[in-house]
Amino acid sequence: GDSVTQMEGPVTLSEEAFLTINCTYTATGYPSLFWYVQYPGEGLQLLLKATKADDKGSNKGFEATYRKETTSFHLEKGSVQVSDSAVYFCALSDLGSNFGNEKLTFGTGTRLTIIP
Amino acid sequence: AAGVIQSPRHLIKEKRETATLKCYPIPRHDTVYWYQQGPGQDPQFLISFYEKMQSDKGSIPDRFSAQQFSDYHSELNMSSLELGDSALYFCASSPQAGTRDYEQYFGPGTRLTVT
Repeated sequence: GDSVTQMEGPVTLSEEAFLTINCTYTATGYPSLFWYVQYPGEGLQLLLKATKADDKGSNKGFEATYRKETTSFHLEKGSVQVSDSAVYFCALSDLGSNFGNEKLTFGTGTRLTIIP
Repeated sequence: AAGVIQSPRHLIKEKRETATLKCYPIPRHDTVYWYQQGPGQDPQFLISFYEKMQSDKGSIPDRFSAQQFSDYHSELNMSSLELGDSALYFCASSPQAGTRDYEQYFGPGTRLTVT
């Protein structure tokens, strides 16, 4: 079945440091890939997505490139801020044959803490 | 913009009781998904509905049932509650089911505590 392996946390960085959170996946089909962010006490927010190989998703300074050859979708940000402190989930969705079949499979999440 | 609405936001129940969680998708979204997130865990898919029909099923216990109504809202019914059911329950909705451009929009979740 489909699975997502995510860099273990927690990760603690100083403000303005470079961030990388690794994510690799296994899928039977050709999945779409996502990064979701969860702030304390809140729901899941879509951060960025990519639907085909070599696509780069980007949002709020975060980027991730869909690498089919290495089955990876690593999240990067050049200069993190305290407000980026949250839990980050890598996820995939395999486009099913039936509508409504596009459930998300999540990685275990990486807790990121940015210190001033 | 309208978002996914979930009610209640918090729910406390005792073991063996029943709980009903409600989800109101974004208008014109035809697909609803339910996920369960245990403490410190990643969200796990429970069940989904497309156009009021069950479309996929994940690791949902037999004690749980769900349906989608004619107005597209969905309810998750949980019976014989166990301590292990304590979790955050998310509902997500999506438009354009079946296309690669779709995405799921998550509600704020219902935090269920079973004592």
